[in-house]
Amino acid sequence: GDSVTQMEGPVTLSEEAFLTINCTYTATGYPSLFWYVQYPGEGLQLLLKATKADDKGSNKGFEATYRKETTSFHLEKGSVQVSDSAVYFCALSDRNQAGTALIFGKGTTLSVSS
Amino acid sequence: SAVISQKPSRDICQRGTSLTIQCQVDSQVTMMFWYRQQPGQSLTLIATANQGSEATYESGFVIDKFPISRPNLTFSTLTVSNMSPEDSSIYLCSGLDSLAKNIQYFGAGTRLSVL
Repeated sequence: GDSVTQMEGPVTLSEEAFLTINCTYTATGYPSLFWYVQYPGEGLQLLLKATKADDKGSNKGFEATYRKETTSFHLEKGSVQVSDSAVYFCALSDRNQAGTALIFGKGTTLSVSS
Repeated sequence: SAVISQKPSRDICQRGTSLTIQCQVDSQVTMMFWYRQQPGQSLTLIATANQGSEATYESGFVIDKFPISRPNLTFSTLTVSNMSPEDSSIYLCSGLDSLAKNIQYFGAGTRLSVL
């Protein structure tokens, strides 16, 4: 079945460092890809998405490009802030099947220090 | 975007009791889902809440343990029945935005501890 693999955490960075969180997927169909963020004590928030190959999702300085050839959707940010400390989840859903639930990776914890 | 409210936000329960979690959406959503997030783990889909009919459960989850209702398009409940410490988790509901295909919005979750 479909699956998502994320890099293991935790990731610990200093403020203004460059961030990459790797995400690869396995899917039989044509997935839409998502990054969700979970701040301490809160639910999940959609960070960005991409629905087809070569699409780039971006939000709050974060970017991810849908790479069909490498089945990847890596999350990047050029300069992280302490407020970015959270758990980041990569997820997919089948783009051609409306109403399907999300399949999540295991999550990557990011800790940014000042 | 849809705003999803869940309550209670947290609870501490005794073994053998049941807890019902409510999920309210501020706009109509086509689908609603219930997920479980065990400590330090990712989200696992429990079931899809279907309006006016029985929920569709994922492998490993059964209606007797997790009865779900969805009486209308904007409201759903999940009951965790006959609880044990293994049920200690965060339970989240989500709604699929009817205007934005395949985008799900999540409630803040219910943090359940079973003693």
